[in-house]
Amino acid sequence: EAQVTQNPRYLITVTGKKLTVTCSQNMNHEYMSWYRQDPGLGLRQIYYSMNVEVTDKGDVPEGYKVSRKEKRNFPLILESPSPNQTSLYFCASSLSSGTSYEQYFGPGTRLTVT
Amino acid sequence: GQSLEQPSEVTAVEGAIVQINCTYQTSGFYGLSWYQQHDGGAPTFLSYNGLDGLEETGRFSSFLSRSDSYGYLLLQELQMKDSASYFCAVREDTNAGKSTFGDGTTLTVKP
Repeated sequence: EAQVTQNPRYLITVTGKKLTVTCSQNMNHEYMSWYRQDPGLGLRQIYYSMNVEVTDKGDVPEGYKVSRKEKRNFPLILESPSPNQTSLYFCASSLSSGTSYEQYFGPGTRLTVT
Repeated sequence: GQSLEQPSEVTAVEGAIVQINCTYQTSGFYGLSWYQQHDGGAPTFLSYNGLDGLEETGRFSSFLSRSDSYGYLLLQELQMKDSASYFCAVREDTNAGKSTFGDGTTLTVKP
């Protein structure tokens, strides 16, 4: 089944404790992206990747890091999480940046930082 | 940068037609997408307009007018399962990787 998977789905952590949210897709997509969703604010893009080893900032990259060493994986790293990073996070992919108007989203990761 | 505006809430009855508008202000524009998101779920792609005019996909249609910086999503023969949030999104033409989403419109379908 073609899908985007994220792990963990739920995470409660404390301020400053480094964490990684994994994202993997099995559709051989070149383009991948991370979003956060907060109540009333829609989806805001954190980082995106046009291909392996090519990443760039979205609108809200502060406090996050990403890497794209393999085509299928695009982990989101929070080196020192803070409470304002409590949010619902979505990973998405599309065939290429040329088709990024049609993105496939993972199920989401609900992160709480206390 | 990009900025999109859409109504925060819309209510309609089963079987009716509803239109969700989206206006955008952008420094570059490549096209307008629409996504549906049920409560607690992941957004799913509905429709895309790269050119002016109407795109139809079953009960859903989407329209774009570049000259007016305006688009809409039209949902016909509303069903209870259409109750969800709907987001418009634009992609910059100068940077195809960047996407900006509107804040979403919550559609409530009543019996």
